[in-house]
Formats: sequence, structure tokens, C-alpha cells
Amino acid sequence: DGGITQSPKYLFRKEGQNVTLSCEQNLNHDAMYWYRQDPGQGLRLIYYSQIVNDFQKGDIAEGYSVSREKKESFPLTVTSAQKNPTAFYLCASSMVGDYYEQYFGPGTRLTVT
Amino acid sequence: GQNIDQPTEMTATEGAIVQINCTYQTSGFNGLFWYQQHAGEAPTFLSYNVLDGLEEKGRFSSFLSRSKGYSYLLLKELQMKDSASYLCAPLNSNYQLIWGAGTKLIIKP
Repeated sequence: DGGITQSPKYLFRKEGQNVTLSCEQNLNHDAMYWYRQDPGQGLRLIYYSQIVNDFQKGDIAEGYSVSREKKESFPLTVTSAQKNPTAFYLCASSMVGDYYEQYFGPGTRLTVT
Repeated sequence: GQNIDQPTEMTATEGAIVQINCTYQTSGFNGLFWYQQHAGEAPTFLSYNVLDGLEEKGRFSSFLSRSKGYSYLLLKELQMKDSASYLCAPLNSNYQLIWGAGTKLIIKP
């Protein structure tokens, strides 16, 4: 079955620690995205990548970093510089150039205390 | 700037019909998506409109007017499982989805 996986579903960290969230897709999609969602809010774009070894900042990239070394994988690191890291993080992927529906992974709920 | 406007919350009765409106302003336009998101879960695709008019898919229909920057999602024969948030997301000139805050739909028996 094709899809997007994110792990873990729940993650707990102490303040001051970096944490990396994984995102893997086997849909053969070129584009991948990371979003953050806070309670009662819409999705806010953190980073996106349309091709391997290239990525762009979204609206709220400060305190986050990404890499895109393989087409299938787009990990997100939440650094200690991110002021309010506790949130629901969603990874998505889409085709490029034809149809832009985004397919989402199940999400990771990160709690930093 | 880019802006999406949807009602924050709506309530409807099981078996009834509800219309969720969305107005948008984006830099360019390449279509509009509607997604459903149950609490604590990821959004799932409902519909896509790129031309003006109504797209029907089972109990769900979506309408688009590009000249008015307006779309609506129509849900018929409401079921309890339709209780969720509904996200309107136009695709701008850079092919980026611009997400509204969503409309929380509460279904009562």
C-alpha cells in the first residue's frame, strides 16, 4: 500500500533538546511538506521541498531545519531555538506539475516541557 | 496578502443538509481543495475545483466561483461521523496550498 508514514505518533522532550521527526513516503511524489498545527488553528507551512537536495522555507521556518537526501524521506528537526515547539506536526507529499493534491501522514504530536 | 475566511463553527442535525462557505484572496489561483479533518487526525481529501461550477461526489458537493473568490462545501444526509473540521485551501500562483483555519462542524442527533 502506498502512503506516508510519520513516527512516532507521540513524542516527549525536555526543553533545550533538539528532536527529529521522521517522514517517509512511497507514493513516488516529488514534493514534500511540513506543517505545524496548533489547537483551533489552520495548517502553517514550515518547509517544503520539490526536488531532492533542495528545499524552501515556509511561513514559520525559524527554529526548524530539514534535509532531503532521498526522494522518499523528508525529516524535520525541531531545534532548541524554536520558542514554542509543542504542537501537532503533519508531513504531506504531492505530485508536481500536474495535480497538486496533498496526501498527509498521520502526524506526530510533540510535547516539550 | 493571502486570506481565507470560513466560519469558525457550525452546528447541524443528523440527516439534514449544511453548507460551509469559504471566501479567499490569494496571489494567483490554480484551483481549490476541501479537506476533512477529524480531531487529532490528519486532513483527508474531499474535493477539488478548478473551474466554476458544482462538483458532486456522493453526499458531498463543492462549488466554486472564481470571479467572486468564493467556494462552498455542501454536505447532505448528515451522519454523526461527519462531525469534523472542514478546511478550505486554494492553490496560489506558486502552486502552494493556502490553508484556512477550518470550520468545526458539530452534528447533533
